[in-house]
Amino acid sequence: AQSVTQLDSQVPVFEEAPVELRCNYSSSVSVYLFWYVQYPNQGLQLLLKYLSGSTLVESINGFEAEFNKSQTSFHLRKPSVHISDTAEYFCAVSGGYQKVTFGTGTKLQVIP
Amino acid sequence: DVKVTQSSRYLVKRTGEKVFLECVQDMDHENMFWYRQDPGLGLRLIYFSYDVKMKEKGDIPEGYSVSREKKERFSLILESASTNQTSMYLCASSLGKSTNEKLFFGSGTQLSVL
Repeated sequence: AQSVTQLDSQVPVFEEAPVELRCNYSSSVSVYLFWYVQYPNQGLQLLLKYLSGSTLVESINGFEAEFNKSQTSFHLRKPSVHISDTAEYFCAVSGGYQKVTFGTGTKLQVIP
Repeated sequence: DVKVTQSSRYLVKRTGEKVFLECVQDMDHENMFWYRQDPGLGLRLIYFSYDVKMKEKGDIPEGYSVSREKKERFSLILESASTNQTSMYLCASSLGKSTNEKLFFGSGTQLSVL
């Protein structure tokens, strides 16, 4: 069985401030980890993913996430947020055959 | 780019009705998924399919069934809709057999059961 925990349901942050969205997972097998983003009134789209190799992965719009196996975490960070980053962010894990399990989501609210 | 199309953006049905939610993808993907999204609960997997006529139960299959007669189309069926099935339903697809592939999502169907 696999599961994902996102402890923060909402994170307000001022524009240009740094942010961290937390994600912890559990799985009985090796996993792949993902962050998806959902902008208002849109479907989800992939932000970044960890498959293997370097534990730090980056997205094209400045987000990064670090895989920490000992702490079973995959936290998402950005050093300076923009208004356009306002969205809901979902952490997800894939370990079993084709099954992807999502967390409950974190709403990032960027305050001007 | 891959397109996943859900037939309706908003749907209103009555308790006890049979409801069909349709999803079509245009990139020859092997796998298709149905999730429901509820505030505070995130996305929960209802059913998925890794091949035509093949289906697997997800985490919350009760009250739902699915059909995949053609590779590009995956239907979610509510045999007798109930008010607790009011939700946002998201369809997704992915390319092949590997578990590390990204999901492509449709824009969702907001179903209200009255």
